[in-house]
Amino acid sequence: GQNIDQPTEMTATEGAIVQINCTYQTSGFNGLFWYQQHAGEAPTFLSYNVLDGLEEKGRFSSFLSRSKGYSYLLLKELQMKDSASYLCAVSYSGAGSYQLTFGKGTKLSVIP
Amino acid sequence: DTEVTQTPKHLVMGMTNKKSLKCEQHMGHRAMYWYKQKAKKPPELMFVYSYEKLSINESVPSRFSPECPNSSLLNLHLHALQPEDSALYLCASSQGPGLAGGGEQFFGPGTRLTVL
Repeated sequence: GQNIDQPTEMTATEGAIVQINCTYQTSGFNGLFWYQQHAGEAPTFLSYNVLDGLEEKGRFSSFLSRSKGYSYLLLKELQMKDSASYLCAVSYSGAGSYQLTFGKGTKLSVIP
Repeated sequence: DTEVTQTPKHLVMGMTNKKSLKCEQHMGHRAMYWYKQKAKKPPELMFVYSYEKLSINESVPSRFSPECPNSSLLNLHLHALQPEDSALYLCASSQGPGLAGGGEQFFGPGTRLTVL
């Protein structure tokens, strides 16, 4: 089975840095994804980690430690439009396809 | 083309109606997915099609019936739904296993379904 844990809600100030943590226990690990989802919209891809270390993409970075079952998403220079839910999802392969199991999501509120 | 399209965007139906949701992708992906998402919850996997064959059915009630007519299209047929089935239905696609990409799933915009 898959078990993914992330904080329910976070609040941060515009222009600041915020780190959203995700811990997981899974079998058949094939990578970890972060998705952003604004209310009423579909999830959009932010990052993918399959090896240990940091992946940087503009204002967003994601880190993975497979031995610890741990990842984080780092958002820098926060903007109001970054207010959204951030979903940690673990990918595993089985039955001829990749599957994603999502964490419950972290609702980030950016305040002025 | 890196887009997954879904129609309709919104659907209101009665409990005795029959309707269908449609999903299309032209990225050459061989795996397609249906998810159900309730408000303030993460997406829940319903079905997975791999190479046009149903590979996973996550114990979904039979009032939901998926269909994959070809590698680009995925349908979800709805019949005798209940009000608690009201949700956002998301379609996604990804490359098949053994190919590069790690299984990133591209999501469509979703269909907002309301069952009266």
